[in-house]
Amino acid sequence: AQTVTQSQPEMSVQEAETVTLSCTYDTSESDYYLFWYKQPPSRQMILVIRQEAYKQQNATENRFSVNFQKAAKSFSLKISDSQLGDAAMYFCAYRKAAGNKLTFGGGTRVLVKP
Amino acid sequence: DTGVSQNPRHKITKRGQNVTFRCDPISEHNRLYWYRQTLGQGPEFLTYFQNEAQLEKSRLLSDRFSAERPKGSFSTLEIQRTEQGDSAMYLCASSPPDRIYNEQFFGPGTRLTVL
Repeated sequence: AQTVTQSQPEMSVQEAETVTLSCTYDTSESDYYLFWYKQPPSRQMILVIRQEAYKQQNATENRFSVNFQKAAKSFSLKISDSQLGDAAMYFCAYRKAAGNKLTFGGGTRVLVKP
Repeated sequence: DTGVSQNPRHKITKRGQNVTFRCDPISEHNRLYWYRQTLGQGPEFLTYFQNEAQLEKSRLLSDRFSAERPKGSFSTLEIQRTEQGDSAMYLCASSPPDRIYNEQFFGPGTRLTVL
């Protein structure tokens, strides 16, 4: 079975600084997708960024970028120029390419200090 | 707003009662998912529908849980004889027919409290 692990329960960052969230996963599949979702307090979960396992190039979406290390089964998220609105729970998620369900990690709470 | 909607947003019930939640997916999305999220944890997959067919169920979905999507549009999740361990946020998500990314769009959730 696939598992996703986020080892940092909480991370704090100063506004305008950079923070990196860690995620590792375990799978025997070669083709899969990885995602980072953001869940603000009392608001619905939204997709931040996704990465296809067959692509070597790391995905980037504005201030959000990932460091995908397939051999190490590592998928970290970097938030640059942190803003107060980035404060939320962040979940790493995995899906088999031919699958449907998402497998989530336990989440990392990001606090942004003004 | 044409996002995923869920009703009710909050439900408080007594142990042993039955509850039913509703999810309305984004129009044109043929895939629908239910997840359960307990406090401080990531969501866990419960079940998946493609159109009206329930194609995948988690072992978490005990025989007290049943989900339906009768016309391939909205879905209901019913919990019979609720237990305190059922207290959680129940999330619904939908995704379009696009097979490549299959991006799932989440609703705001229904928070269930079993007393």
